[in-house]
Amino acid sequence: QSALTQPASVSGSPGQSITISCTGTASDIGSYDYVSWHQQHPGKAPKLLIYDVTNRPSGVSNRFSGSKSGITASLTISGLQPEDEADYYCASFTARATLVFGTGTQVTVL
Amino acid sequence: QVQLVQSGAEVKKPGSSVRVSCKAYVDTFSTNAISWVRQAPGQGLEWMGGIHPAFATPTYAQNFKGRVTITTDESTSTAYMELSSLRSEDTAVYYCARERRTTGTTGAFHMWGPGTMVTVSS
Repeated sequence: QSALTQPASVSGSPGQSITISCTGTASDIGSYDYVSWHQQHPGKAPKLLIYDVTNRPSGVSNRFSGSKSGITASLTISGLQPEDEADYYCASFTARATLVFGTGTQVTVL
Repeated sequence: QVQLVQSGAEVKKPGSSVRVSCKAYVDTFSTNAISWVRQAPGQGLEWMGGIHPAFATPTYAQNFKGRVTITTDESTSTAYMELSSLRSEDTAVYYCARERRTTGTTGAFHMWGPGTMVTVSS
């Protein structure tokens, strides 16, 4: 199972919106609504931001939103803030009943 | 406090095995699946496998089949990950993560352990 494809880096100025894409195949993102997004700050454990494509756990800012179209999922961060500077990973359930992560995206707040 | 607590850092020789534990301080251990995810230095996250304590039948990523064994001990609310035939490329931080739903592994990891550093070196 190959990793899902994400852009290596995305940047934006404070207050702007950015979108991170996550491209898979018909055997993962294309077939299941079990797409999640995780934020990781340097030296820290990841944190769940979005699950089941669009759902936010309690306590996660509504500036984070998820969507999916075909084999591509997306995470949008609106009103970009300095603390959003981190690495972001998507993940998807697969047809083999396994999980696959994305390659990861480094977000820089200019 | 609801959390996952992992065992300490390990240094292993190539060819040996390592076992990492993950104790869950939660109300009901057996209701939610636990996965193991690793991260090599400077690299991304890699799912290794998962297990639902109530069913005790693990699922493994193809890359690790034959080398990884994931188990749980309900009496101590602890999950274990054992990786054998270690090589230098297995040097990584190993995380346990618990699903927020009760039905299986979907990546909705609402709890993550702090990570355990495993170094493989001769």
